[in-house]
Amino acid sequence: DVKVTQSSRYLVKRTGEKVFLECVQDMDHENMFWYRQDPGLGLRLIYFSYDVKMKEKGDIPEGYSVSREKKERFSLILESASTNQTSMYLCASSGHLGQGAAGANVLTFGAGSRLTVL
Amino acid sequence: KQEVTQIPAALSVPEGENLVLNCSFTDSAIYNLQWFRQDPGKGLTSLLLIQSSQREQTSGRLNASLDKSSGRSTLYIAASQPGDSATYLCAVGSGNTGKLIFGQGTTLQVKP
Repeated sequence: DVKVTQSSRYLVKRTGEKVFLECVQDMDHENMFWYRQDPGLGLRLIYFSYDVKMKEKGDIPEGYSVSREKKERFSLILESASTNQTSMYLCASSGHLGQGAAGANVLTFGAGSRLTVL
Repeated sequence: KQEVTQIPAALSVPEGENLVLNCSFTDSAIYNLQWFRQDPGKGLTSLLLIQSSQREQTSGRLNASLDKSSGRSTLYIAASQPGDSATYLCAVGSGNTGKLIFGQGTTLQVKP
């Protein structure tokens, strides 16, 4: 089974701190994603990456940056955390469509990282 | 811009009942559609994926259908159990990057 591991389940940070959220997948997937989930707003895509050193903005990239130096690792960075970034952050990965079959397209999620910014 | 809607937002049923969760999307030019389950405070677990060329997928007591022309998908759960209690989300993929647009989910409670 594909495993997507998020390094921290719960974090509490102060306004202005720099925050790193790490995500690692073990199935050689090309695509990786960062979503945030908020009550009433659902899941919203922050950034995604379809290859090492490649990144694309999602729907709400403001206040965030990402890093993908290795295929298996996709990091989300909050340069200066603010209270409105308090949220559940979900990382996901999926394979390349050239791999064929439904399994390559299935998005696999990590357990989530709940960030509170005070 | 693709929008995904799930109705109802919450549903409560007695154990053993068959039920249907609904998902609608505004742009029929989709690549695939996935149904996920989310338990409180946890990540999402993929249940079923339907490619745009397919009409339905089945896994155990779950059956998902897709009607692209009408912009609808349904998730049918047979003989519901208390362990099925969770939030169910549908998500539409519109390209080959794996990027998904999510509905807000239906929270299901199955009472013993």
